[in-house]
Amino acid sequence: KQEVTQIPAALSVPEGENLVLNCSFTDSAIYNLQWFRQDPGKGLTSLLLIQSSQREQTSGRLNASLDKSSGRSTLYIAASQPGDSATYLCAVLTSGTYKYIFGTGTRLKVLA
Amino acid sequence: DAGITQSPRYKITETGRQVTLMCHQTWSHSYMFWYRQDLGHGLRLIYYSAAADITDKGEVPDGYVVSRSKTENFPLTLESATRSQTSVYFCASGLTAGASTDTQYFGPGTRLTVL
Repeated sequence: KQEVTQIPAALSVPEGENLVLNCSFTDSAIYNLQWFRQDPGKGLTSLLLIQSSQREQTSGRLNASLDKSSGRSTLYIAASQPGDSATYLCAVLTSGTYKYIFGTGTRLKVLA
Repeated sequence: DAGITQSPRYKITETGRQVTLMCHQTWSHSYMFWYRQDLGHGLRLIYYSAAADITDKGEVPDGYVVSRSKTENFPLTLESATRSQTSVYFCASGLTAGASTDTQYFGPGTRLTVL
């Protein structure tokens, strides 16, 4: 059974810092891994999707990496801004299924 | 406008009442999903549907009923609401073909409170 873990659960950093959010999963047979952003009381916004054959994806200040063999992904946020404050969710689509398994998220606060 | 919508966005009900949450998508995606989000649990799959008239249980299906008579709609019914079903419910849809490009698109969520 696929399990997804995100560490840390919460993170508070000063503006301008580069930071890394971690996601680990137990079953390496995946179709893809996706990072989402969720603002308080809002829905999910897809940030980056990494296919199983890819090692990383980039979008602006965001870079996500995938190491299937070790069951890990990281989301790197460069030059953090107060507007980056949100909860970041990692979700894994396991091969042979149609169901995303979500981590419990990392709640990020960037201080001005 | 194209997309995925949910209604109502907020709902307060009482224990024992029947409640139906609606989900509508305009992409003609074959797959649709219902998740619930609770503190400490992340999002958990309740039910999903591969096509009209085809549904299957997810991780936490007890106390819920779904139907899919039309491709674009996927209502979720709580037949007799309980306090433990207080949660935020997300609907999603996707063109799922068992490939690495598969993804899901999420609705804005329905915040349900059962008193």
